[in-house]
Formats: sequence, structure tokens, C-alpha cells
Amino acid sequence: DAGITQSPRHKVTETGTPVTLRCHQTENHRYMYWYRQDPGHGLRLIHYSYGVKDTDKGEVSDGYSVSRSKTEDFLLTLESATSSQTSVYFCAISDSPPGGEKLFFGSGTQLSVL
Amino acid sequence: AQTVTQSQPEMSVQEAETVTLSCTYDTSESDYYLFWYKQPPSRQMILVIRQEAYKQQNATENRFSVNFQKAAKSFSLKISDSQLGDAAMYFCAYRSIRIQGAQKLVFGQGTRLTINP
Repeated sequence: DAGITQSPRHKVTETGTPVTLRCHQTENHRYMYWYRQDPGHGLRLIHYSYGVKDTDKGEVSDGYSVSRSKTEDFLLTLESATSSQTSVYFCAISDSPPGGEKLFFGSGTQLSVL
Repeated sequence: AQTVTQSQPEMSVQEAETVTLSCTYDTSESDYYLFWYKQPPSRQMILVIRQEAYKQQNATENRFSVNFQKAAKSFSLKISDSQLGDAAMYFCAYRSIRIQGAQKLVFGQGTRLTINP
């Protein structure tokens, strides 16, 4: 299994509070991603990173920010959590081509915003 | 923008039987990748099979095979000799070949597969 660790595994928070989810990889892969999974929607890309300090938006980026100060760490921040951000959040990584055709996923973070 | 549709929210099959999960997609591109991912109750996302659109031959991985109909924009997954361990949520996904490097996948809504003993 690819070395991807997401923390925390579960989190319950209140509306309006800031939340940061962490993704740590030991594979030295260039690309890192944050997806959210919701019933009826599958997984949707929030943000991704193509290098240290290089990030770009996905299809559902509103209300989220990311940072990548080191190759191994990719942080997802909800500045002011809302109930609509209750979801399972997955981090994923992939390598540069060639050989970068596989996407490896972490185990997910269940976030509940009350 | 590309979209992926899985019209079967739930499917069930008897153990040892064959089941087919449907997936359709919409794109204006001529070359792309298609994937099937499995998500068991552990929540782990597991790549089952991958198809490159420029390849005519349908991809196969052991008991898993696809029926890729490019003109119809259809990409179904066939699981033969179903096993209890195949019970999971299955996601179909699309990736544009024009995006080099980044694996920006567009996922379908998922199909929950139950295996009846």
C-alpha cells in the first residue's frame, strides 16, 4: 500500500469553526489531491497540488483552501466550516509520468459539522 | 465539462454468478482514460481496471472485464464468478488525456454491489 496517512480519521466540529485536515505521504510523489465523497455524488475534486507551493482548484473548491509547504504534506483548510461540508475527505497521490498513471488514496477523514 | 453517470445505485448478485455494472460518460474528447474503482466497507479506494480510449481491446483483470463502447460512450464492468469479497461500492471514473501528469478524475455516483451467499 502507498504510504499515505490522513489525520484525523474522524472529526466533529461546530459550524463556523476553522478545520484543518492533513495528508502526509512517504512516497515522494509529485501530485497530491483532496477529494470529497458524498452520497449520490461520488468523489469530487476539491484542490490539487503539482509541487511545493503549486496548487490549483478542482470542481468544488469554494469554502476550501490548501497549502503545500513540503513535498510530503498537503493541508486542506475549511476557514469557517458549514454543515454542507460534512463529508468524507480523501487525500490521493500520484507520481510524475511515466509511471504516474495510478492514483493512490488515503483511508479518508470523516468530518461532521454540527 | 466531462460527466460520468452510473444509473444503478444498487445491484445484487448471487455468489458465483456474473454481474454487470453500467457506466456512461459524456465528453467531446477523442482520447481519454476510463477507470473502475472499488470501495469496500474499509473505505479504501482500490483500482480495479483501467481502459485507454485509443485501445480497441477491452481491458481484463482476472475475473473483472469491461465492455468499452466508445461510440455509445459506455463503459460497463463485468464481474464473473462473484465472490463475497466483491461486495463494495464501485465507482466509474474518467480522466482527460490532455491533462498530462495530474490525475484529475471525474467520478460517477457509484453503484453499491451486494453479493448474496
